[in-house]
Amino acid sequence: QSALTQPASVSGSPGQSITISCTGTSSDVGSYNLVSWYQQHPGKAPKLMIYEVSKRPSGVSNRFSGSKSGNTASLTISGLQAEDEADYYCCSYAGRSRWVFGGGTKLTVL
Amino acid sequence: QVQLVESGGGLVKPGGSLRLSCAASGFTFSDYYMSWIRQAPGKGLEWVSYISSSSSYTNYADSVKGRFTISRDNAKNSLYLQMNSLRAEDTAVYYCARVIGSSNAFDIWGQGTMVTVSS
Repeated sequence: QSALTQPASVSGSPGQSITISCTGTSSDVGSYNLVSWYQQHPGKAPKLMIYEVSKRPSGVSNRFSGSKSGNTASLTISGLQAEDEADYYCCSYAGRSRWVFGGGTKLTVL
Repeated sequence: QVQLVESGGGLVKPGGSLRLSCAASGFTFSDYYMSWIRQAPGKGLEWVSYISSSSSYTNYADSVKGRFTISRDNAKNSLYLQMNSLRAEDTAVYYCARVIGSSNAFDIWGQGTMVTVSS
């Protein structure tokens, strides 16, 4: 199972919007609406931000949104804030109780 | 509050063994599937293993299959990962995570425990 493909880095200025893509295959992202996104600050555990492609857990800002088209999922962060600077990982269920993560994207808030 | 706390990490020689533990609190542990996920230094996340709520089903990443064994003790609210035949490439922070069953997402994570495989 190969890792999902994410851009290594993205950046944006405060108040702007950014989108992080996550490309998989027809065996994972394309087969299941079970893509999740995680935020990880340095030295901290990952935090669930989006599940089932576009759902937000309680307590997660509505500035975070997710979508999917074919084999590619996307995370959009609107109204960028300094605290959003972190690493972001996508993850897809891949069937038979297996999961695959993306390589991670470093978000820099300029 | 809902919490997962890992322990058992440390320095081990190649070929050695280590057993990780994850203590759960603040929720009904026996109701949830659980997983182990690792992160090598400076690298991304890698799913390692999964166990169903009753231990009836387990699965492993190809990279650890045959070497690692996941288990749980619902009476003790604990998850375990027995790691044998350790290799340098197993060096990582190991996280235990709770699985949202129908959503197959990891909603609660522990703080992680570091495993270093080196001679």
